[in-house]
Amino acid sequence: EDKVVQSPLSLVVHEGDTVTLNCSYEVTNFRSLLWYKQEKKAPTFLFMLTSSGIEKKSGRLSSILDKKELFSILNITATQTGDSAIYLCAVLGTSGTYKYIFGTGTRLKVLA
Amino acid sequence: SQTIHQWPATLVQPVGSPLSLECTVEGTSNPNLYWYRQAAGRGLQLLFYSVGIGQISSEVPQNLSASRPQDRQFILSSKKLLLSDSGFYLCAWSRTGNYGYTFGSGTRLTVV
Repeated sequence: EDKVVQSPLSLVVHEGDTVTLNCSYEVTNFRSLLWYKQEKKAPTFLFMLTSSGIEKKSGRLSSILDKKELFSILNITATQTGDSAIYLCAVLGTSGTYKYIFGTGTRLKVLA
Repeated sequence: SQTIHQWPATLVQPVGSPLSLECTVEGTSNPNLYWYRQAAGRGLQLLFYSVGIGQISSEVPQNLSASRPQDRQFILSSKKLLLSDSGFYLCAWSRTGNYGYTFGSGTRLTVV
């Protein structure tokens, strides 16, 4: 059965800290991994990763994929209170349809 | 550009009452459509997906059903709500292929 596990489940840091969020997966014929940020309502897209070792960056956020060890990390440097959110990881395998399997998410709280 | 609309934003319904949540996509044709449910502070559970008009796949046995009467319209229904149906419901769409999802703004359903 396809599975995505995120850790930690929750995290509290202070502004300016750097955080690393983890996502490990077991899927049949991996195709891609997505990271989303969810504040109050709809998740918003952060990154799509398909190849190992290639870092994706957007401002203070970056992410990398390791297809050999079956995990991805999301780094946030110099955290701000606006980074407080649930961060979701989702993985697509080739089960015949385009269904992403989501992890339970990491709830990040950044204190001022 | 493509947009996805989901309504209502919030809903409070008594146990045993019917449910109808609607999702429409604009600016694209033949989208893959998805209904997810998110329990409080948790990840997303796939309920239904559809790759075409009238084609519905159910992921988990439950008290809900889905229909796709038109190409860009996806409806989530129940004949009789249960307390356990409470949650945050998200509609999403994707192109066929490795493109990721775009989510609607969600419906927070409380069954009382």
